[in-house]
Amino acid sequence: QKEVEQDPGPLSVPEGAIVSLNCTYSNSAFQYFMWYRQYSRKGPELLMYTYSSGNKEDGRFTAQVDKSSKYISLFIRDSQPSDSATYLCAMYDYKLSFGAGTTVTVRA
Amino acid sequence: DAGVIQSPRHEVTEMGQEVTLRCKPISGHDYLFWYRQTMMRGLELLIYFNNNVPIDDSGMPEDRFSAKMPNASFSTLKIQPSEPRDSAVYFCASSSRGRAFFGQGTRLTVV
Repeated sequence: QKEVEQDPGPLSVPEGAIVSLNCTYSNSAFQYFMWYRQYSRKGPELLMYTYSSGNKEDGRFTAQVDKSSKYISLFIRDSQPSDSATYLCAMYDYKLSFGAGTTVTVRA
Repeated sequence: DAGVIQSPRHEVTEMGQEVTLRCKPISGHDYLFWYRQTMMRGLELLIYFNNNVPIDDSGMPEDRFSAKMPNASFSTLKIQPSEPRDSAVYFCASSSRGRAFFGQGTRLTVV
């Protein structure tokens, strides 16, 4: 079993829809939780960062962490075609462990 | 800060040749990671350093791979000899307190 599980999708939504992404994990030692966005042929870009259970908002993005369930989520409101990318969850306990990434396409 | 800088951006080499990938981390970051990304396997952690010291190299696939970090501002990943199955995008990332930032990667093609 992988330490971090993420459904690779792909996920296709119309413009303006809410995108919902999630990951589960098995390692209780993970301290920090992140979401990265990766455009084609680019490096992963840090999108959201949190270290506690609960919600964190940044513009159209909301990250949720539930440590008791070992479950994290990312929501993108009012999605735009420019949000089309691969989204990777990542978790940190002195090394970064990544999910497989979910490819999202927002249709105009 | 210019971010994590990797060179070269692209490398095409013949099987059996030595390949050296370079990374300049963000100043002040105490962790440095080398990842490999392929369609089949996603992002794989190869090795990471803390304060220039290698901590975990269990992800290095074979003895053909080696990495060094002679100082806080420079790291190399070397493959010798290279093989076609080493073709992938290699990323370097540096972090402080869990926030990791990636370079743009080196796209390696071994023919």
